[in-house]
Amino acid sequence: EPEVTQTPSHQVTQMGQEVILRCVPISNHLYFYWYRQILGQKVEFLVSFYNNEISEKSEIFDDQFSVERPDGSNFTLKIRSTKLEDSAMYFCASSGVRVPLNEQFFGPGTRLTVL
Amino acid sequence: ILNVEQSPQSLHVQEGDSTNFTCSFPSSNFYALHWYRWETAKSPEALFVMTLNGDEKKKGRISATLNTKEGYSYLYIKGSQPEDSATYLCACYNTDKLIFGTGTRLQVFP
Repeated sequence: EPEVTQTPSHQVTQMGQEVILRCVPISNHLYFYWYRQILGQKVEFLVSFYNNEISEKSEIFDDQFSVERPDGSNFTLKIRSTKLEDSAMYFCASSGVRVPLNEQFFGPGTRLTVL
Repeated sequence: ILNVEQSPQSLHVQEGDSTNFTCSFPSSNFYALHWYRWETAKSPEALFVMTLNGDEKKKGRISATLNTKEGYSYLYIKGSQPEDSATYLCACYNTDKLIFGTGTRLQVFP
C-alpha cells in the first residue's frame, strides 16, 4: 500500500542552524501539507502546497519557513534559523484531490529537537 | 478561529470494555470531520471522513456518528483490545487544511 515517508525520523540541531525536513508523498497525489505538533499541544497546520506554489499558510509559517518540491517526488520544509520553540514533531501529508471528503495521508513524522 | 475540542484527554479501559469519546466543533460553516488513529512512532491513520448530519460510519469494532447541527461527533469502540491503544484525533476540514483537536489517548489493559 502506498505511504508517505519522511526523513530523518529524528533531527537534533543547534539554535540558529538551518534544517531541511524531507518528505516523499504518495506518487500520484497533487496536494501536499506540513503540520507540526509541539509536545502536549494540538497538531497544527503550517502550509499547503499545490501546483508548485503555496495554497495557504498559517501565522506560524513566517519568513523563516519555506517549502519546495525540487523534483517529482520530494517535498521539503526548510527552517532557515531554528529557534528553541521550533522543537516539535513535523508531519508531512498528501492527498489526491482537494475536497473535504478526501482523507489526507500522513507520514510518520520527523521529531525536531532544537538545543 | 475554528476550535476543535476532544474529551476526555485520556482514557484507561480493560480489555473487552466498550468505550466512546467526543469531538466538539463549531456547527457553522461545517464541511467535513475526519477521525484519525495515531499509534506512537507510526503515521496517523485515517479512520473516517464524515460530512452529513446524522452520518454513521463503521470499520470493524470502531464506529462514529456525526451531529453537525449541534457540533459534535462520537467515536465508539466496541469490545476494546490492547491493540486499540492509540491516540484518536478528530479534525475539521477548513479551506484546504485540517484543524485538529487535542486528541484522546486510549490505553486498553489486558
